Formats: sequence, structure tokens, C-alpha cells
Amino acid sequence: QLQLQESGPGLVKPSETLSLTCTVSGGSISSSSYYWGWIRQPPGKGLEWIGSIYYSGSTYYNPSLKSRVTISVDTSKNQFSLKLSSVTAADTAVYYCARRTRAGGIDYWGQGTLVTVSS
Amino acid sequence: QPVLTQSSSASASLGSSVKLTCTLSSGHSSYIIAWHQQQPGKAPRYLMKLEGSGSYNKGSGVPDRFSGSSSGADRYLTISNLQSEDEADYYCETWDSNTQVFGGGTKLTVL
Repeated sequence: QLQLQESGPGLVKPSETLSLTCTVSGGSISSSSYYWGWIRQPPGKGLEWIGSIYYSGSTYYNPSLKSRVTISVDTSKNQFSLKLSSVTAADTAVYYCARRTRAGGIDYWGQGTLVTVSS
Repeated sequence: QPVLTQSSSASASLGSSVKLTCTLSSGHSSYIIAWHQQQPGKAPRYLMKLEGSGSYNKGSGVPDRFSGSSSGADRYLTISNLQSEDEADYYCETWDSNTQVFGGGTKLTVL
């Protein structure tokens, strides 16, 4: 059974960089059949796609966040990571990592991690 | 890029059926979507992939009570024999070559 687990600081100061890692178990991140991505959900609001990465390193970002987002993959550790720079209170959200099939949508979600931006 | 439109809320009685709608924007009516369920305080859960033809493939462990259908730009999620645990937010999702998009979600209340 595939599992995805987010990890990283739960509190980030304004103007700093948010960094999260997703560890994949029960399957290989190097499969050519999948993309690996980040989605966030501000408190009480809907889902927002942040970006995705293919095992080869090709990345795709939400245009509204593109200037601040970097997603990378470490196939040796079966992990992928998110960096979001210059954060503000508006970036406070539950951050989810997820797997998307090449022919379809997301089929596995992580449990999510709450990141609060506050001084 | 495609836009997905969902009603903000829906309600139905325990044991009845409900049909939720996700509408694709103009020019994107052939797109495949996915439906996800998010119970209160939990992560989203993948329900199914739904094509414009109405063909759908459900995720592992998704009850038979959940089904999908399509008509033009509309994609439907039907839940039969509603249970209390079906009270949740339901999101549709679609994608193209380099983006992903979510609908705003429908909050389903089971009366």
C-alpha cells in the first residue's frame, strides 16, 4: 500500500522560506507512470495546487506561485520536497503531498501537515 | 487552462441519493476529471476518475454506493443510500499538460 508522509516545521516566520519533505513508501518515486505534487488548503477554504514534479526532475508550477516555489526530487531517498520563499500569513495552510497518475488525477494523498506563518 | 465549477453546498436525507455536479469551462468539455472526498478534519481521499463518456474507475475500497456519470461539460458524482459518514466536502480535479485545477468543492450535509 502506497503511503506519503509530509514532514517539516509547523511554524515559519514571515519573509522566511517554508520547507517541507514528502517521504514515499510502498512504491518507487522513480516510476515513469506518476507525477508527485504539493497541494495546500488554507483554514476553512478549498484546495489549491502548488506544483508537481516528474522523477526526471521536470517541474510544473501554479502560475500564481511560480516565482516563489521550488520542488525537487531525491530518488535515492524516495522523497520530494517543497520550498516556498518569502512567506506571509496568507501562506498559512495544511500542505498535502500527493501522487498523480500520468493518465489521470491524484490517486494517493498524504495526511497533510499544518504550516502556520507567524512571528 | 480549464476551470471547474461546483455548487457550494448540497443536502440530502439519510438513506436517499444525491447527485453532485462539477462543470468544466468552455472548450474543455472533453476533459477527464477525478472526484475526491474530504471528511471533516481529514485529508482528501480519491474516489474515482471520470471520463467524458461516463466511464469511471473507482479507487480501492470505495463503496459501490458511489458512481459517476457525464453529460456534455458536466461531470456527476452520485451517492446512493446515503450514510452519515458521507457528510463531507467533495472536490473535483482536472489537469492538462502542465497544470492541475480543483473545483471550489461542495459541502454535503446528510440530514
